[in-house]
Order: sequence, then C-alpha cells, then structure tokens
Amino acid sequence: GAVVSQHPSRVICKSGTSVKIECRSLDFQATTMFWYRQFPKKSLMLMATSNEGSKATYEQGVEKDKFLINHASLTLSTLTVTSAHPEDSSFYICSARGAGMDYGYTFGSGTRLTVV
Amino acid sequence: AQTVTQSQPEMSVQEAETVTLSCTYDTSENNYYLFWYKQPPSRQMILVIRQEAYKQQNATENRFSVNFQKAAKSFSLKISDSQLGDTAMYFCAFMSLNTDKLIFGTGTRLQVFP
Repeated sequence: GAVVSQHPSRVICKSGTSVKIECRSLDFQATTMFWYRQFPKKSLMLMATSNEGSKATYEQGVEKDKFLINHASLTLSTLTVTSAHPEDSSFYICSARGAGMDYGYTFGSGTRLTVV
Repeated sequence: AQTVTQSQPEMSVQEAETVTLSCTYDTSENNYYLFWYKQPPSRQMILVIRQEAYKQQNATENRFSVNFQKAAKSFSLKISDSQLGDTAMYFCAFMSLNTDKLIFGTGTRLQVFP
C-alpha cells in the first residue's frame, strides 16, 4: 500500500531558529500533499495544500512567510517553520495523494515540534 | 463552507460489544466523500472506512460499517465486536470533489475496556 514517511518525528529547537520537516511518498508519486497542524486533544487543522512544481495554497489565517512549503518533486514536500516561537509548538502531519489513487489520503506519522 | 460535527467527545465500550460513533456534516454540494479515520496513541492517522456520496449502499469493512443518511447529512460509524486495539481517537472527515481538501470533525475518543 501507499506509504508516506515523515521526518523528524520529534524536534526541539530554540526560539528564533528555523526547522524543516520532510514528507516523502515512498512508493507512489504524490501529486498533491497537504500539511496539517494538530493541537493537543484537538482536531487536524489544514494549513496548506501543495502541488508538485507550483506554489502552495495556504488556508485563511496561516502565515505563508512563517510556514514555508516546498513541493519540488513528486515524492518530497517540506514544511519549514521559520523564526519559530513557543506558540508554534504543535504536532504537524502531512498527507499525500497520487494521481489516479482512490480518495483516501495516506498520512505521515507526524512531527512533534517543541520550541523552547 | 463545509463543517463536520462530532457530538460525542468520549465513548467507551466493553470488549466484544458494539458501539456507534456519530457524525453530522453540512454542505451544499452533491458530490463528496466521507471518511472515518482512526488515530491511536502513536498519532498515526489510519483510514478506517470511506463512503462515496453518490452510493446509496452503506460501506462496510470487516467489523466497521457506516450508516450514511444523505438527506439528514449524517454519517455514523458502527464498530462491531470491539477489540482493545480499537482504542483510539476517531475522526469523521468530509472531502469535496471540488477542492480535494479533507475537513475533519473534532474527534471522538473511544476507550475499549476488557
């Protein structure tokens, strides 16, 4: 089945630094990738949608300059949290879908970001 | 805008029993998909079951089945013969064929006890 690998699983960074999270589709070409944020005991909030080779589409209220998304290839999308602050601490999850695949997205295992 | 509502924050069921999780949604669209996802303590999102809105027949996957009431915009999940491994957070999700975006409900925490 379709597998999505997300790294790192956990990261701690200092306030003011940037952190990059990678999302890779291992056995299919991901034409579309989605990035979500999940607060403790809360639902998943869609942050942005990225299509290979084009700019990401951000949801309302998501700062595109803070959360940089790059989908440079059909198997890799990255989310960079720039100048991270403690309020950016959260669980970030990516999901991916390939062309022709049944609807039902494959999710990465998530990244726990803690900004200190 | 579409919304998904799960009115049961927590549910519990005894092993081998049956439990039903509720979900309602709001949309003006006619073509869409509905999903139930499971998120165990590992935080990995796992697809449980999917329903295409144009299909009248309720989807079934082994012990999991749905009751899809399109007119009422209701999409409940029934788990039969509950197992300890079913303990998880369950999210109902809506996807418009126009946007491809998944909109999640707030989730129901299910605890299966021996």
